[in-house]
Amino acid sequence: NAGVTQTPKFQVLKTGQSMTLQCAQDMNHEYMSWYRQDPGMGLRLIHYSVGAGITDQGEVPNGYNVSRSTTEDFPLRLLSAAPSQTSVYFCATLAGFGYNEQFFGPGTRLTVL
Amino acid sequence: RKEVEQDPGPFNVPEGATVAFNCTYSNSASQSFFWYRQDCRKEPKLLMSVYSSGNEDGRFTAQLNRASQYISLLIRDSKLSDSATYLCVVGGSNYKLTFGKGTLLTVNP
Repeated sequence: NAGVTQTPKFQVLKTGQSMTLQCAQDMNHEYMSWYRQDPGMGLRLIHYSVGAGITDQGEVPNGYNVSRSTTEDFPLRLLSAAPSQTSVYFCATLAGFGYNEQFFGPGTRLTVL
Repeated sequence: RKEVEQDPGPFNVPEGATVAFNCTYSNSASQSFFWYRQDCRKEPKLLMSVYSSGNEDGRFTAQLNRASQYISLLIRDSKLSDSATYLCVVGGSNYKLTFGKGTLLTVNP
């Protein structure tokens, strides 16, 4: 089992470009989420999904879109990249309500110039 | 008051030392509590859940005080391999986790 995978591992964008960060899991977990991690800010929740077809906003959703058409995939779209979106992005999964452990992907390091 | 607040650190301790991390949370309705560990440039991983009765896993002891909204992590007999950032994490009733900013621990030989 691969667990949680993220692609790409590194990405450099120019301001205004759009892109999609991919997240996939093979654990059949219901819950998936996207975080960003910035120095001195900790991990902040961007969007999350409690199951296929259901998404909701987290703490810092502006500038990002998500969709959950399958249990396995939860892509994060940057609509028009800004330098403020330079960060490390982590995707995470949880088996379901009542489970404790969130499993994180290895992260995507994004730089917006 | 921030939702989850941790000791700012960093902590530098010699091998074999005992080190304690503290964390407070603001939402009294919080239902689940964890310590995660994050190595440099890696993803966070669950270290241990924290239960009201307190719990221990080898050299690690976690405590929760719901009345004071306070969580702690004690590491005994520190090893070089314990060097990492420790994240205090609090969960609500809706799957969402709130992370503290983390405390960096460096264990020196």
